[in-house]
Amino acid sequence: KAGVTQTPRYLIKTRGQQVTLSCSPISGHRSVSWYQQTPGQGLQFLFEYFSETQRNKGNFPGRFSGRQFSNSRSEMNVSTLELGDSALYLCASSLSGGNTGELFFGEGSRLTVL
Amino acid sequence: AQSVTQPDIHITVSEGASLELRCNYSYGATPYLFWYVQSPGQGLQLLLKYFSGDTLVQGIKGFEAEFKRSQSSFNLRKPSVHWSDAAEYFCAVVEMDSNYQLIWGAGTKLIIKP
Repeated sequence: KAGVTQTPRYLIKTRGQQVTLSCSPISGHRSVSWYQQTPGQGLQFLFEYFSETQRNKGNFPGRFSGRQFSNSRSEMNVSTLELGDSALYLCASSLSGGNTGELFFGEGSRLTVL
Repeated sequence: AQSVTQPDIHITVSEGASLELRCNYSYGATPYLFWYVQSPGQGLQLLLKYFSGDTLVQGIKGFEAEFKRSQSSFNLRKPSVHWSDAAEYFCAVVEMDSNYQLIWGAGTKLIIKP
C-alpha cells in the first residue's frame, strides 16, 4: 500500500511569488491535513479537508489556502510569499480525520523563500 | 485553551540505556493521547496511542507509554535505546472541545551517545 506522497520535495522561491504543493493520500483515506513545521514554532496546523470540504482551519493568514479533489488528493497554495514562510510543509492523511489522531504523514515539502 | 508540554527540548542517552520522554497535558476530561516520531528528513510516524482502557500501552519499535490521570502525563519509555532511535519525538492530544483538533507538543530531540 503506497504511503502519502508529497510533491515537490524541495523548492526555492523568492519573496512575492506563490507556490502550490501537492499531496496524494493513502488510498481510501478521505481526510487530508496540512501542517507547517519550523524550528521556532514547531508543528502548526494549517487546515484539514474531508471529502472536498474544509473541516478545520488553523490560525494562518488568508495567503494560505487549500483544496481537495474528488479523488482525495489535496493541494495547498501560499500566495505573496514571505521569508517567514520558509518551512517544511507536511501533509497527513487519515481514514476519518484528525479526531482519532491516527495520521499518516508524507515526507514533506521543504520550501525556502529567498 | 488546552496545551501539551514536553519539558525537555533535548535528551542525550547512551546506546543501550533506558529512556523516558515526558509529556504533560492540560485538559479536563480524558483525552486521546499520541506519540509520534520524526526521523531526520522524514515525516512523522505514529508510535502509539491511548484512547481508553489499560493505561500502559505498547507501541511499535519497542516503545511503551503510561497514562497517569492524576499527573496529567503520558510519558514515553523504552528499556534499551538503539542508535536508530535518534529522532524527534512529539506528544499530541486530541482536543475534543474544539472540533477534535490535534494539539501538539513542541517535541523532544533524542540524541544517542555511542
